[in-house]
Amino acid sequence: GESVGLHLPTLSVQEGDNSIINCAYSNSASDYFIWYKQESGKGPQFIIDIRSNMDKRQGQRVTVLLNKTVKHLSLQIAATQPGDSAVYFCAERRNNNDMRFGAGTRLTVKP
Amino acid sequence: DAGVTQSPTHLIKTRGQHVTLRCSPISGHKSVSWYQQVLGQGPQFIFQYYEKEERGRGNFPDRFSARQFPNYSSELNVNALLLGDSALYLCASSEGVLDGYTFGSGTRLTVV
Repeated sequence: GESVGLHLPTLSVQEGDNSIINCAYSNSASDYFIWYKQESGKGPQFIIDIRSNMDKRQGQRVTVLLNKTVKHLSLQIAATQPGDSAVYFCAERRNNNDMRFGAGTRLTVKP
Repeated sequence: DAGVTQSPTHLIKTRGQHVTLRCSPISGHKSVSWYQQVLGQGPQFIFQYYEKEERGRGNFPDRFSARQFPNYSSELNVNALLLGDSALYLCASSEGVLDGYTFGSGTRLTVV
C-alpha cells in the first residue's frame, strides 16, 4: 500500500550543526507536502510546506527539498538549536484532502 | 488571537462508554479536521468537515462520528469505547478545504 514514511526514527545533532530529516512517500498523486514539529504535550506545529510543482522552498533556518523522481522529501534545519528538539513529521495531502503523516523522527540537540 | 481550542484537555473513560470531544477553530476558519494520534505514531486522519458537511473520512469504524455546527465548531463522538481508542485526539482548522492546517493541543483520552 501507499504510505508516508521516515528513514530514521531518531536523530541526534550537536548544537550549531545542521540537521537533515528525511521522508519517503509513495503516492505520486499527492500534490502538497508539509513538515510539522511536535513538542511534548502539544499539537503539531506547521514549519514549512511545498507544492509538487516546486523542488525547493526556504524559510527561516529551514529548507524543504522535494525530489519527485525518487519520491523523497527532506527538511534541513540550519544551525540547530536546543529549542529545535522535538518530533518532526512529514505529511502528504492526497486528492481527497486528508493529510497522511509519517511516523515521525525525534530530533535531539546536544548542547 | 485564540488558536484552535479543544476541550477537555484530558479525559478518562471506561470501556463501553461514550465520549464527546469539542473543538473551536480559529476565527474565520470554516474547515475542521480530526486526527487520532496513538503514542509513538503520527496522527491518523479521522474526518474533515467544511461548511457543516463531511468532506473526508479516514479508515475508522462507525463508532466514530462527528459534526460541525453553524459557528464552525465541531464535535467528535466515539461510542462503545475500546482500550485501543486511548490516544491524543487532535483538531485542526483551516480557512478552506485545501488550505494549511493549524492544530490544537489535543484531548488526551485514556480508556480503562
